[in-house]
Amino acid sequence: GENVEQHPSTLSVQEGDSAVIKCTYSDSASNYFPWYKQELGKGPQLIIDIRSNVGEKKDQRIAVTLNKTAKHFSLHITETQPEDSAVYFCAASRGGSYIPTFGRGTSLIVHP
Amino acid sequence: GAVVSQHPSRVICKSGTSVKIECRSLDFQATTMFWYRQFPKQSLMLMATSNEGSKATYEQGVEKDKFLINHASLTLSTLTVTSAHPEDSSFYICSASMGQGGYGYTFGSGTRLTVV
Repeated sequence: GENVEQHPSTLSVQEGDSAVIKCTYSDSASNYFPWYKQELGKGPQLIIDIRSNVGEKKDQRIAVTLNKTAKHFSLHITETQPEDSAVYFCAASRGGSYIPTFGRGTSLIVHP
Repeated sequence: GAVVSQHPSRVICKSGTSVKIECRSLDFQATTMFWYRQFPKQSLMLMATSNEGSKATYEQGVEKDKFLINHASLTLSTLTVTSAHPEDSSFYICSASMGQGGYGYTFGSGTRLTVV
């Protein structure tokens, strides 16, 4: 089955800095890679996703890059703000009826 | 976008009692719903997959008699924790799919269960 590794487990940055979270996956058939943000006491919310026919996708301060050859994808947050502080999960899936496999999460702390 | 509503958000119950958690898809029909359990500072652990009109599929190590799942309609799935014990205290999260599993994956807001 799929195995998703996520690093780092904790990331501490100053407000305004950039933050990068990296994930690797093992199943070369995976073609859908969503990222979720989970605030304390709440369920994960989808913030951005990318499919394997695209190498990069951007939405305002958030971007995701995908390297299918190396089987890794990354989340980039620029100009971080305190409200970006949360746990971020990456996931990989073959899409369709396949259940996504989640990484272990990254706790992002943005210091004002 | 797709919205999944989960209730209650918090529940405290006595040991030995049962607790029911509801998961509803508000603006779409969810052929498949999923139930996760999350321990503090840990990732999401898939407990079971709930398919409308059929029995749930439980992951290895999850007791089906303790965690009863019912998916009676295309918009509602329920998780009942039976004879709850303190070790069942956890954060339970549901998610729903529009039938495309890996693509349309939306989470509920979670339920914090505390068994005293």
